[in-house]
Amino acid sequence: DQQVKQNSPSLSVQEGRISILNCDYTNSMFDYFLWYKKYPAEGPTFLISISSIKDKNEDGRFTVFLNKSAKHLSLHIVPSQPGDSAVYFCAAALSGGSNYKLTFGKGTLLTVNP
Amino acid sequence: GAGVSQTPSNKVTEKGKYVELRCDPISGHTALYWYRQSLGQGPEFLIYFQGTGAADDSGLPNDRFFAVRPEGSVSTLKIQRTERGDSAVYLCASSLTSSSYNSPLHFGNGTRLTVT
Repeated sequence: DQQVKQNSPSLSVQEGRISILNCDYTNSMFDYFLWYKKYPAEGPTFLISISSIKDKNEDGRFTVFLNKSAKHLSLHIVPSQPGDSAVYFCAAALSGGSNYKLTFGKGTLLTVNP
Repeated sequence: GAGVSQTPSNKVTEKGKYVELRCDPISGHTALYWYRQSLGQGPEFLIYFQGTGAADDSGLPNDRFFAVRPEGSVSTLKIQRTERGDSAVYLCASSLTSSSYNSPLHFGNGTRLTVT
């Protein structure tokens, strides 16, 4: 049973517009969430994270929103650039002593068209 | 600076053979992790080392899989009697500490294992 779900396998946006990537989770014990970006033939690279005590975290063009009651988070990229084209993984960590272990979604392939 | 290094980048082996996958973490990172990414899936946790010891091996699929980190740096993932279902990208990651809160994982580029 997938505890972290990314229901959109792919997303295509125009350069300069906003990209919104969504993620849902089922385990209420998750209390820390991360987004990773992955280019082909490379490992995932950390992008941004958010703790469950916050509802928003911003870093440059990237903003992550967390809605705990809906068990939903989203990543906003504004403005989108062609170099943002990659697979984006949502990941979640449990509270307490097991927070080293990440549970990943299946990923969303973002294509930003020039 | 040097990132996490994994060798080989690609490995093709026949069903039933033994393979070893190597991971060189970032210098000074005490925590090391192995994940496996199958086609169309996200990475799945296999095992976590803190120093030399395996602190959590709950993700290893069965006893054909084993990993070591004898000196607290380089780690080797060992798979015995490989099966076609073991075909995947094996990702190694390291972090400064074991807490997700302030020490994100740094992944290597992975080893693509193909079992024929």
